Amino acid sequence: GAVVSQHPSWVICKSGTSVKIECRSLDFQATTMFWYRQFPKQSLMLMATSNEGSKATYEQGVEKDKFLINHASLTLSTLTVTSAHPEDSSFYICSARAPRIQAGYEQYFGPGTRLTVT
Amino acid sequence: GEDVEQSLFLSVREGDSSVINCTYTDSSSTYLYWYKQEPGAGLQLLTYIFSNMDMKQDQRLTVLLNKKDKHLSLRIADTQTGDSAIYFCAESYGGSQGNLIFGKGTKLSVKP
Repeated sequence: GAVVSQHPSWVICKSGTSVKIECRSLDFQATTMFWYRQFPKQSLMLMATSNEGSKATYEQGVEKDKFLINHASLTLSTLTVTSAHPEDSSFYICSARAPRIQAGYEQYFGPGTRLTVT
Repeated sequence: GEDVEQSLFLSVREGDSSVINCTYTDSSSTYLYWYKQEPGAGLQLLTYIFSNMDMKQDQRLTVLLNKKDKHLSLRIADTQTGDSAIYFCAESYGGSQGNLIFGKGTKLSVKP
């Protein structure tokens, strides 16, 4: 149980185009999903918190107009990188908060999406 | 602000025990977590400990929590080559949102 998928697993796009990444909770409903960014050999940096049916909460320094987040249902959140540039190349990981499956507020992570902007 | 610190590298021989250490700053953290990340993959939740516990054991994994020193450790007994990965310590904050702050990760290398 508590499986989170991401699609695509990797994507290469040209500078100036937009890319959409999907995050799905496969066997549970997630009222809250999180989007992280990870640079090589670095830790995960939280970009935004996504609550179903409401606007995402962005961390300081994250451009909300560049990284559009939509949490349209209890099992799907999307991150759209608009007008991507090479500096947006990174590993994007989502997680979904499971409703006390074991204890506390556990986050289950997707496998990540490698974005390369050329 | 909140901060989580870990040593960056650890190298052990197969069969030995590995101990990965972590310090955190937020004394109000409710849960502390250990995640494992293999190359090119997402994070796998290994184990967690509630802040009012001192120790938790789960098969080969033992978590020790020293609340006074805000020190958390993960011991892996009989370390195998398949345990080679990056291990992240994380603390929860932010009340009901359960947001996590991650350390930079410890890269564990297991030599045969």
